[in-house]
Amino acid sequence: ETGVTQSPTHLIKTRGQQVTLRCSSQSGHNTVSWYQQALGQGPQFIFQYYREEENGRGNFPPRFSGLQFPNYSSELNVNALELDDSALYLCASSFNGGGTDTQYFGPGTRLTVL
Amino acid sequence: AQSVTQLDSHVSVSEGTPVLLRCNYSSSYSPSLFWYVQHPNKGLQLLLKYTSAATLVKGINGFEAEFKKSETSFHLTKPSAHMSDAAEYFCVVSERSGGYQKVTFGTGTKLQVIP
Repeated sequence: ETGVTQSPTHLIKTRGQQVTLRCSSQSGHNTVSWYQQALGQGPQFIFQYYREEENGRGNFPPRFSGLQFPNYSSELNVNALELDDSALYLCASSFNGGGTDTQYFGPGTRLTVL
Repeated sequence: AQSVTQLDSHVSVSEGTPVLLRCNYSSSYSPSLFWYVQHPNKGLQLLLKYTSAATLVKGINGFEAEFKKSETSFHLTKPSAHMSDAAEYFCVVSERSGGYQKVTFGTGTKLQVIP
């Protein structure tokens, strides 16, 4: 158990809808990263939040957006859902102290887009 | 630019025999390297990490990995496989870039353990 929690565990949406996924970071961590893991593939980096600002982004379109709150929890929002957005969404928390940030992952949210 | 190549998509071993999962990396700077394990329908669990200290890194559950800069490799090994080791394993390279820790995952190696 890493102390990183995600909700909901499973979600079914239809194409064109919007979805919000939530993540609570491990105690003492100040950074949250989000990943998309399609079936049979490795996780792909979406973006990272530090001090409530996005400070790094992968190759994902603007309809993927996020927030980080003062308690370091985070949300991932996806607008205009597409079938290819079906995946496991993983949240990882870490402490950005200038050295190596070891990321600890939550159990994920399984999103199915019909 | 950083990248990770996991050389085998599937590895099958008999219970009690050694495990070798191969990983090569490319990085512009001195990277940090990690191995994570993912059991079916679960999140990712950290097995071990290399951060420029000892080149032989010991992790949980009897796993270890050796950082070889000359070969740009970070292979994961275990002397004796257990049934509970059956899972998918990801090699990860990480380096600080523009104020954030840029992380790249390999495509994963699925380990099958035969009784």
